[in-house]
Amino acid sequence: ETGVTQTPRHLVMGMTNKKSLKCEQHLGHNAMYWYKQSAKKPLELMFVYNFKEQTENNSVPSRFSPECPNSSHLFLHLHTLQPEDSALYLCASSQELGQINQPQHFGDGTRLSIL
Amino acid sequence: SQQGEEDPQALSIQEGENATMNCSYKTSINNLQWYRQNSGRGLVHLILIRSNEREKHSGRLRVTLDTSKKSSSLLITASRAADTASYFCATGAGGTSYGKLTFGQGTILTVHP
Repeated sequence: ETGVTQTPRHLVMGMTNKKSLKCEQHLGHNAMYWYKQSAKKPLELMFVYNFKEQTENNSVPSRFSPECPNSSHLFLHLHTLQPEDSALYLCASSQELGQINQPQHFGDGTRLSIL
Repeated sequence: SQQGEEDPQALSIQEGENATMNCSYKTSINNLQWYRQNSGRGLVHLILIRSNEREKHSGRLRVTLDTSKKSSSLLITASRAADTASYFCATGAGGTSYGKLTFGQGTILTVHP
């Protein structure tokens, strides 16, 4: 139990569907992250939020839309995805952006498959 | 840009043997962290070493950091089948990037019973 919960664990969707990934952390952290993990590639940072404010969008296509209503919840809204978007999407949290020497705590991810 | 690069990409050993994984990086760092990922799960933080530290221990884990060579190593002693996982190094930069990590591609460790 890492304190970071992601739902759903698995998602299969067509290219025209709209779906959302959810992440919730119970660690009292203020920074949250979305990563994409594809086979044979390093973990790719997608978005960073600090105290509900987006601080980084790592050139992510607009078909991915993040939302952070509060410091405990993070969503990733998906729309008109492409087959190459199939991957494991990981959410992580840390105490606060701007503080050095912090570990990140990860959820178990959502395995996304685009048909 | 990719910061950490692990070596080897895959490592297969027998239970009881030691496993050594290496990580190289390109730019200056504030800290270097190692994570483990079991199949189908998220990453789990193992150990953090600060840029002014040279060696750190945690149970059967030993991490070294050589900032002059921009490299780190993770040693797992007396390995167990349960250590089978992917291991990633991640570097933490400074300035406005405080808190953000850049991950390498990982080393897949298989420990045979």
